[in-house]
Amino acid sequence: SQQGEEDPQALSIQEGENATMNCSYKTSINNLQWYRQNSGRGLVHLILIRSNEREKHSGRLRVTLDTSKKSSSLLITASRAADTASYFCATDSQGGSEKLVFGKGTKLTVNP
Amino acid sequence: GAVVSQHPSWVICKSGTSVKIECRSLDFQATTMFWYRQFPKQSLMLMATSNEGSKATYEQGVEKDKFLINHASLTLSTLTVTSAHPEDSSFYICSAYRDPRGYEQYFGPGTRLTVT
Repeated sequence: SQQGEEDPQALSIQEGENATMNCSYKTSINNLQWYRQNSGRGLVHLILIRSNEREKHSGRLRVTLDTSKKSSSLLITASRAADTASYFCATDSQGGSEKLVFGKGTKLTVNP
Repeated sequence: GAVVSQHPSWVICKSGTSVKIECRSLDFQATTMFWYRQFPKQSLMLMATSNEGSKATYEQGVEKDKFLINHASLTLSTLTVTSAHPEDSSFYICSAYRDPRGYEQYFGPGTRLTVT
């Protein structure tokens, strides 16, 4: 069953604005990852945050994790038209499972 | 590094026929690969975990006799959709962990299957 739930389902912004996407999950995790998918393509790994981390940065990406609320957020700063894609969070569960459970995704549209 | 390819990238087949999709790790070995399906505007649903040299582990609700998985080498896993029906039309994506296993899964570009 799906664990991650992204919010919002769709987001439309102008170039240069920041985009924030949220993800909630249900069970305890080891790691939470964010992936990006361009339309009709495979997924590209963006960033991984471990359960003992609260915030992580990678270029224009900022990820936060609140394990007490079982939620994470992905912030893309100074967005570009090329950031237009769907973004998914994925979690693995404690207990050593290799499987990832994906959320429903947020479709981001950055208008030039 | 860490490239995963899929072949074909798209395929159209008639109802009742079988289709094989290949997933290859091009520059690394992968003991474990995963097969997902994705319906339009939806998320990825894990179908099965493919383990080199052993039987695949299927998720609940996935028919193992319909979706045959073979992981015959450390760089190749295949998914065969048998007796395909229009409802099998979907986007199929594979992924793999690099050996020794890290945290990141590397995804293939996906295969669009259309069953007419």
